[in-house]
Amino acid sequence: GQQLNQSPQSMFIQEGEDVSMNCTSSSIFNTWLWYKQEPGEGPVLLIALYKAGELTSNGRLTAQFGITRKDSFLNISASIPSDVGIYFCAGPIQGAQKLVFGQGTRLTINP
Amino acid sequence: SAVISQKPSRDICQRGTSLTIQCQVDSQVTMMFWYRQQPGQSLTLIATANQGSEATYESGFVIDKFPISRPNLTFSTLTVSNMSPEDSSIYLCSVQGGTGSDEQFFGPGTRLTVL
Repeated sequence: GQQLNQSPQSMFIQEGEDVSMNCTSSSIFNTWLWYKQEPGEGPVLLIALYKAGELTSNGRLTAQFGITRKDSFLNISASIPSDVGIYFCAGPIQGAQKLVFGQGTRLTINP
Repeated sequence: SAVISQKPSRDICQRGTSLTIQCQVDSQVTMMFWYRQQPGQSLTLIATANQGSEATYESGFVIDKFPISRPNLTFSTLTVSNMSPEDSSIYLCSVQGGTGSDEQFFGPGTRLTVL
């Protein structure tokens, strides 16, 4: 079945640094979604991408839909303590209105 | 996006018992989803619940263990039956962002611990 491989699994950075994480698949996805989950909360949708090559920003967050439709990237610029959490990529399974999720990238920030 | 609430937010249960989790949405939605998130893991879809029809379960999940109700367009319940410690997880409901949309919006989750 369609699977998403997310990397890195965890990141430990200093406040103010930029962050980059990615999500890849052997299958084509027509939509890429990026979520953030904080402790004790459900995932919150950050960015949705619908078109190959699309680059979309949400504040300090920027995500790109890979041109091959098999990957996506999320960048966070000038990280701050509230960026701490787990970031998940997700995409719809072809032919079904349901999502598959990556394994997540756990972001830890040292002040 | 829809506002989604879940009850209870957390619970500690004894093995062999059952717990019913409620999911309430502030607007009518066609498709609702139930996920399980085991400790330190990603989200795994349990089932899709549409109003007026039986839930559709994913491989590895069965109705006897996870019965689901969907009595109307704003509410759903998931029951975790005959619980064991392996059922300790966060259970999340989500809703489709709009007809035909791939986006899903999640409730805050129910953290279940089974002793």
